[in-house]
Amino acid sequence: GQNIDQPTEMTATEGAIVQINCTYQTSGFNGLFWYQQHAGEAPTFLSYNVLDGLEEKGRFSSFLSRSKGYSYLLLKELQMKDSASYLCAVREGISGGYNKLIFGAGTRLAVHP
Amino acid sequence: DVKVTQSSRYLVKRTGEKVFLECVQDMDHENMFWYRQDPGLGLRLIYFSYDVKMKEKGDIPEGYSVSREKKERFSLILESASTNQTSMYLCASKQQNIQYFGAGTRLSVL
Repeated sequence: GQNIDQPTEMTATEGAIVQINCTYQTSGFNGLFWYQQHAGEAPTFLSYNVLDGLEEKGRFSSFLSRSKGYSYLLLKELQMKDSASYLCAVREGISGGYNKLIFGAGTRLAVHP
Repeated sequence: DVKVTQSSRYLVKRTGEKVFLECVQDMDHENMFWYRQDPGLGLRLIYFSYDVKMKEKGDIPEGYSVSREKKERFSLILESASTNQTSMYLCASKQQNIQYFGAGTRLSVL
């Protein structure tokens, strides 16, 4: 079956580092995405991993281990504006047909002073 | 800049009404999607379209239909709205690997 797990809520302090984990079990695998969603707004693309390892983009980094079915999003030098929900999504790799995105329920991050 | 526009941010409808949710993208993308987002469940795919007049069912198509008459517009239709269709509806279009989302329509069915 399909299952994507991430923590429901996290809190962190401004200026700190936070790691949001995501584990997945899907029928196939063809890439993992992280999106940020502020309350009442559209999800916005943060990162895409298809090979094992770390992808760094400014204050945000994303890591993938395909053998472990595991990813994390690392946010450094936290700012108040980073308070948002972070969505983990896996693209299934199915031969033929459309490779759809399966989303986790999201992790709501609260950054406090 | 990528832009996906949903016509309404908030809608209130009555049970049994026919409801149209509109989505427009200005990037000439072929693939467009409709999701609903409910607390604790994440985004779930209702329908998608990979070309004009083409549509495919997602994971939860029951009670919904779609229309794609022009490339830039993808409409979600609730033939007879029910209270369990109260939700946040998100439209997206796709360029290469990345889906770009609209701001969402929060629909309440009373």
